[in-house]
Amino acid sequence: GAVVSQHPSWVICKSGTSVKIECRSLDFQATTMFWYRQFPKQSLMLMATSNEGSKATYEQGVEKDKFLINHASLTLSTLTVTSAHPEDSSFYICSARRGIQETQYFGPGTRLLVL
Amino acid sequence: ELKVEQNPLFLSMQEGKNYTIYCNYSTTSDRLYWYRQDPGKSLESLFVLLSNGAVKQEGRLMASLDTKARLSTLHITAAVHDLSATYFCVGEDYKLSFGAGTTVTVRA
Repeated sequence: GAVVSQHPSWVICKSGTSVKIECRSLDFQATTMFWYRQFPKQSLMLMATSNEGSKATYEQGVEKDKFLINHASLTLSTLTVTSAHPEDSSFYICSARRGIQETQYFGPGTRLLVL
Repeated sequence: ELKVEQNPLFLSMQEGKNYTIYCNYSTTSDRLYWYRQDPGKSLESLFVLLSNGAVKQEGRLMASLDTKARLSTLHITAAVHDLSATYFCVGEDYKLSFGAGTTVTVRA
């Protein structure tokens, strides 16, 4: 099967610091990776779509300068939450797919708590 | 923009009984997914439905798709405690669109 990992699985940081979350496709090459955010008892909300080697496409309302996404290789995408604040505390989930008509495979998620 | 609506949002099930979760979507969806999420966990893929009339079954769960009615259903047969979770219906055009989720609690 297709496996997607995320690191770290949870992180606690102080307000104002930056946090980087990694998303890796372990056994396939992912042309596209997606980043989602999920607040407690809510559904998943797509934040951005990233294609390898190009700039990410952000959904409306998502600050691209705050949530920096890099997709430098076909197996790795990173999400950096810059100058994190308590309202950024959430469950961040990435997904990856091989191609346009392919199924997305979800990572295990990263829980971020900003104090 | 594809919109996905699930109902009910909360479902309290009695063990041994049958229940159905409904999923309506607003425009054409390339495919329809059902996912399960346990508290604090990520998504577990249950079904991918690709075409009109598609029916898939796994254990006590059965999913179906009616593209003409833009409706998918997730049927639960003889509910058991292990099925307690949140179930998401997800449509896809150029991106995934998630329903609000149905939180299922199975009681004895």
